[in-house]
Amino acid sequence: GAVVSQHPSRVICKSGTSVKIECRSLDFQATTMFWYRQFPKQSLMLMATSNEGSKATYEQGVEKDKFLINHASLTLSTLTVTSAHPEDSSFYICSAPVSHGGTDTQYFGPGTRLTVL
Amino acid sequence: EDKVVQSPLSLVVHEGDTVTLNCSYEVTNFRSLLWYKQEKKAPTFLFMLTSSGIEKKSGRLSSILDKKELFSILNITATQTGDSAIYLCAVGFSNYKLTFGKGTLLTVNP
Repeated sequence: GAVVSQHPSRVICKSGTSVKIECRSLDFQATTMFWYRQFPKQSLMLMATSNEGSKATYEQGVEKDKFLINHASLTLSTLTVTSAHPEDSSFYICSAPVSHGGTDTQYFGPGTRLTVL
Repeated sequence: EDKVVQSPLSLVVHEGDTVTLNCSYEVTNFRSLLWYKQEKKAPTFLFMLTSSGIEKKSGRLSSILDKKELFSILNITATQTGDSAIYLCAVGFSNYKLTFGKGTLLTVNP
């Protein structure tokens, strides 16, 4: 089946630094990828839609200058958390839609746990 | 305002019990309703439902969608400790976007 990978799986950084998270589709091409954030004991909240070859579209309330998204190729999207602060500590998950025989689903990466000290 | 509401938020059962998880939604023009299981990492796909009244089964798990009453249920029979997880319901749209409910935390005790 389709596989989505994320790197790193876990990162700890100091407040004020920037962190880059990579999301790769390993055996298929993804013109669209999604980035979610999940705080403890809460559900996944969509942050933005990453579009290959064009700008990302952000959900309401998500700062585009703080969460930079680059969809550099058909298999790679990156999320950069700029000037990270402790409140940005969260579980970040990417996903990519896949079509199987006319039905669509999304495959999720394993997630990246970000801790900002 | 929650558009996808799951209940109960948490549930504790013993091995062998049968559980029913609920998902109601208040959205229109959606493409599908999906169920995911989330353990310690990212969600894994369980079911996609697009038609009302057609049950989907996978082993001890089954799910059905009622588009008239705007809800779906996920059943797990003969539960095992490995079923302990958060079960997420999501509504999918034609642009592939998903709106998730808050999830049901299921704990299966031996």
